[in-house]
Amino acid sequence: DQQVKQNSPSLSVQEGRISILNCDYTNSMFDYFLWYKKYPAEGPTFLISISSIKDKNEDGRFTVFLNKSAKHLSLHIVPSQPGDSAVYFCAASDRGSRLTFGEGTQLTVNP
Amino acid sequence: DGGITQSPKYLFRKEGQNVTLSCEQNLNHDAMYWYRQDPGQGLRLIYYSQIVNDFQKGDIAEGYSVSREKKESFPLTVTSAQKNPTAFYLCASSILPVASHGYTFGSGTRLTVV
Repeated sequence: DQQVKQNSPSLSVQEGRISILNCDYTNSMFDYFLWYKKYPAEGPTFLISISSIKDKNEDGRFTVFLNKSAKHLSLHIVPSQPGDSAVYFCAASDRGSRLTFGEGTQLTVNP
Repeated sequence: DGGITQSPKYLFRKEGQNVTLSCEQNLNHDAMYWYRQDPGQGLRLIYYSQIVNDFQKGDIAEGYSVSREKKESFPLTVTSAQKNPTAFYLCASSILPVASHGYTFGSGTRLTVV
């Protein structure tokens, strides 16, 4: 049972344009959602999170939107930069001690 | 500098051998985790521990074992019973509840069976 899903394995955008990464979930008990960025052969690093009681959280070029009725969240990166090229993981917390991760989306930002 | 350290970065194992991956943190986090990353499958939880001398199986615990004798350390043993051990292994730690803080990850260990 895949509770967190990222349906797009890859995304390619031009430098300066917007990148939109999507994530769907099934468990209505999730209380926080997080995005991580991962470069090859490195551990993931935390990017941004959002509480289930909010619908938007912004941090610089990164904005996360949450649509609870659709059980959908998205990460917007504006403007996209070549250094943003990485795998992005969506994750969700179930009020406890563990995160559930999606499969990841490989973002490529072309100069 | 506080952080979480995994060693070694690369590890080669012969079939039939057990091997232990090290994970140490000095963040004073209560919880520690082991994940496995395979292409196209995201991060899958192997074991986790919320407190010293206690740990729980994750989604893919078969063929693995762990111990948590000290708060700072959570080593993972990949046993010969693990049928497909070649993967990238990630250790993480966290305060509890996880909530918005998320995990702090180590830099990973690439295990290859030869």
